[in-house]
Amino acid sequence: EAQVTQNPRYLITVTGKKLTVTCSQNMNHEYMSWYRQDPGLGLRQIYYSMNVEVTDKGDVPEGYKVSRKEKRNFPLILESPSPNQTSLYFCASSIRGSGDTEAFFGQGTRLTVV
Amino acid sequence: AQSVTQLDSQVPVFEEAPVELRCNYSSSVSVYLFWYVQYPNQGLQLLLKYLSGSTLVESINGFEAEFNKSQTSFHLRKPSVHISDTAEYFCAVRLAGFQKLVFGTGTRLLVSP
Repeated sequence: EAQVTQNPRYLITVTGKKLTVTCSQNMNHEYMSWYRQDPGLGLRQIYYSMNVEVTDKGDVPEGYKVSRKEKRNFPLILESPSPNQTSLYFCASSIRGSGDTEAFFGQGTRLTVV
Repeated sequence: AQSVTQLDSQVPVFEEAPVELRCNYSSSVSVYLFWYVQYPNQGLQLLLKYLSGSTLVESINGFEAEFNKSQTSFHLRKPSVHISDTAEYFCAVRLAGFQKLVFGTGTRLLVSP
């Protein structure tokens, strides 16, 4: 089954404690991205990757890092989480092409930073 | 830069009534348009998309959306909603040739008996 898998689904952490949210896709997609979803703001892109070892900032990258060492994995790293990073996070993947293809989303990670 | 506006943050409706969720976008170049649905505690799923051709596109569960280039709109409609349609709906746009999806702020559809 084609899917994007995120872990964990729920996470409560304390300010300043480094954490990683994993994302893996089994569709051999080149393009992967991270979004955060906040009430009234919709989904905003954090980082994206066009392919292995190629990553770039999205609209709200401050406080986040990513890496793309393998095609299937695209982890999101919060080196020093702060309460304003409390949010619902989604990983997505799609074929890199003309833009007319569907983006597949993970189930989401609800992060609370206290 | 392109942007997407969903004016209604919440739309309450009774079961079996018709509904329209509005979406307007701003872009001066060719775009692809999408509607995604998010059921409670789930990720986003593609509902329907407009790429080219017929301006009216339909989903398998009775929703339809019409691309109106002159009004830069892509409103989502359903003639008769079910309780199970209760969800949040996101309109998204992607410039032709690019990968980035730009989302609207979402519309929560609340269907009551």
